Amino acid sequence: NAGVMQNPRHLVRRRGQEARLRCSPMKGHSHVYWYRQLPEEGLKFMVYLQKENIIDESGMPKERFSAEFPKEGPSILRIQQVVRGDSAAYFCASSPGHKRVEQYFGPGTRLTVT
Amino acid sequence: DQQVKQNSPSLSVQEGRISILNCDYTNSMFDYFLWYKKYPAEGPTFLISISSIKDKNEDGRFTVFLNKSAKHLSLHIVPSQPGDSAVYFCAASGTGGSYIPTFGRGTSLIVHP
Repeated sequence: NAGVMQNPRHLVRRRGQEARLRCSPMKGHSHVYWYRQLPEEGLKFMVYLQKENIIDESGMPKERFSAEFPKEGPSILRIQQVVRGDSAAYFCASSPGHKRVEQYFGPGTRLTVT
Repeated sequence: DQQVKQNSPSLSVQEGRISILNCDYTNSMFDYFLWYKKYPAEGPTFLISISSIKDKNEDGRFTVFLNKSAKHLSLHIVPSQPGDSAVYFCAASGTGGSYIPTFGRGTSLIVHP
């Protein structure tokens, strides 16, 4: 049973370009969460999605960031017009439910904006 | 405003001794707590959890203690092993509309052989 998969593992973008991060949840998991970790910081929640629905995006910056979890295929976190402050590790997690369950994390995508 | 605080950025312990990692929280709505372990270049891995109806949960070498009145929890690892060297994150979730966990900043544990 494969774990949570994220790709790419490393992504380098110039300022102003778009970054697209992908996450495939564990088999059987329909709940996906995106987190961002800045240097020396903890994991900050960004968005929680179920298939075709955004359930909670309270941690998502209002501009340039968007997320989707289509009926088919991986969840995508999209960052438009990246800036240096977007450089961070982005982690995806999945769970079989939402309440009182631990989340299973992917290895993360390290985004570097030059 | 940090609702989950891990005030020790790092901890160094000798192999075979006990490691105690601490976590404080401020939100009274939190009633479920988790510990994750993270190695470099990997995602966090779930370690152990505790519900607020309990004050202790044990799994092998790992025990989590919860003191609700003090809004404090701790993770005990005994005996500590070099393979336990990692960053440990405390997380808390609760009722009141959201079960999404809030994470602390982590404590880096180094276990010396």
